[in-house]
Amino acid sequence: AQRVTQPEKLLSVFKGAPVELKCNYSYSGSPELFWYVQYSRQRLQLLLRHISRESIKGFTADLNKGETSFHLKKPFAQEEDSAMYYCALRTMNTGNQFYFGTGTSLTVIP
Amino acid sequence: KAGVTQTPRYLIKTRGQQVTLSCSPISGHRSVSWYQQTPGQGLQFLFEYFSETQRNKGNFPGRFSGRQFSNSRSEMNVSTLELGDSALYLCASSLEGGEETQYFGPGTRLLVL
Repeated sequence: AQRVTQPEKLLSVFKGAPVELKCNYSYSGSPELFWYVQYSRQRLQLLLRHISRESIKGFTADLNKGETSFHLKKPFAQEEDSAMYYCALRTMNTGNQFYFGTGTSLTVIP
Repeated sequence: KAGVTQTPRYLIKTRGQQVTLSCSPISGHRSVSWYQQTPGQGLQFLFEYFSETQRNKGNFPGRFSGRQFSNSRSEMNVSTLELGDSALYLCASSLEGGEETQYFGPGTRLLVL
């Protein structure tokens, strides 16, 4: 069965410190992984996806198929990074069927 | 471009009733997906519609159904409401469904008493 696990419900770091939000997945097929973010009072929005191999707002994530992980990292956390972060797995070749983790609430302490 | 809109934003129903929620996707988007968000279960995929057809379906009972119209607007219906159906219902649209970005609506918060 497909599953996405985010082991940390809450994560606090100091401004300027590195941050890593963990995500592990379980899927027998070829995974497509995403990170979504929801800032306070805003809609859920895409942060980045593994196929793009891009860096958004200083965040990066590398798909590690051996460890079935897709951890989100940023070398220097900023206060505006405080938000809820969701890791998501897309399983279908056609259309959208997403499995979301339960989310990690990140607080960056000034 | 206007974003994804959902109506109503808030709804209170009683057990046994049925409810219909509406989602208007971004203009030009043909794929609409629905999600249920609860504190305990997080975000769970309900179903996806594309070109007026249900293309993918999550693991929800048959009380949860939906449809999509020719203008891509989508409705979700929940019949015989249960207390556990209280949740935030989100819809998301994308151009074709797939690798491109999903854009989420603000959600409809349903409370079942």
